[in-house]
Amino acid sequence: DVKVTQSSRYLVKRTGEKVFLECVQDMDHENMFWYRQDPGLGLRLIYFSYDVKMKEKGDIPEGYSVSREKKERFSLILESASTNQTSMYLCASSYGGNEQFFGPGTRLTVL
Amino acid sequence: SQKIEQNSEALNIQEGKTATLTCNYTNYSPAYLQWYRQDPGRGPVFLLLIRENEKEKRKERLKVTFDTTLKQSLFHITASQPADSATYLCALDRGGDMRFGAGTRLTVKP
Repeated sequence: DVKVTQSSRYLVKRTGEKVFLECVQDMDHENMFWYRQDPGLGLRLIYFSYDVKMKEKGDIPEGYSVSREKKERFSLILESASTNQTSMYLCASSYGGNEQFFGPGTRLTVL
Repeated sequence: SQKIEQNSEALNIQEGKTATLTCNYTNYSPAYLQWYRQDPGRGPVFLLLIRENEKEKRKERLKVTFDTTLKQSLFHITASQPADSATYLCALDRGGDMRFGAGTRLTVKP
């Protein structure tokens, strides 16, 4: 059974903290994605990666960075968390232009 | 700018009826379009993919159409059941990454 896992389901952090969200996939997919999802706005792409050590900006990269040191792992980093980064964060992976497999999501609250 | 619009935030129908959800897009020329289902508190799950040269695709009670002239996709669930209640998202290819619509929340009442 294919799987995308995310390090936490729920996370509470304070303003200014550095936050790491981890995503791991076991399908040997080249492509990995980070989205945030907010009510009424749908899924918005933050960053994506086509290969190890490669990254591309999505629509809303400001305030975020990513790391992909291994093929199966894609990390999202909030350098200095702010309250407007309170959201549901979803990781996904895919092979080529095919369907994306999503993780269960991390609900992040920044106080 | 590129836009994806799903017809409404919420759709309520009676069990047994056909649900029809709409996805319209502007300033895109996607090679394919996908539909996903999302339940509360969970990540989206892939349902169907339709390519630009395909008019229609079916999978069990699901049917998707893709009209590149109208820039529209229709997603149908026939003989709907309360278990079909969820949010449905359309997603458009952008040559490597995808862009998602905001979704339509479908409620099927018994």
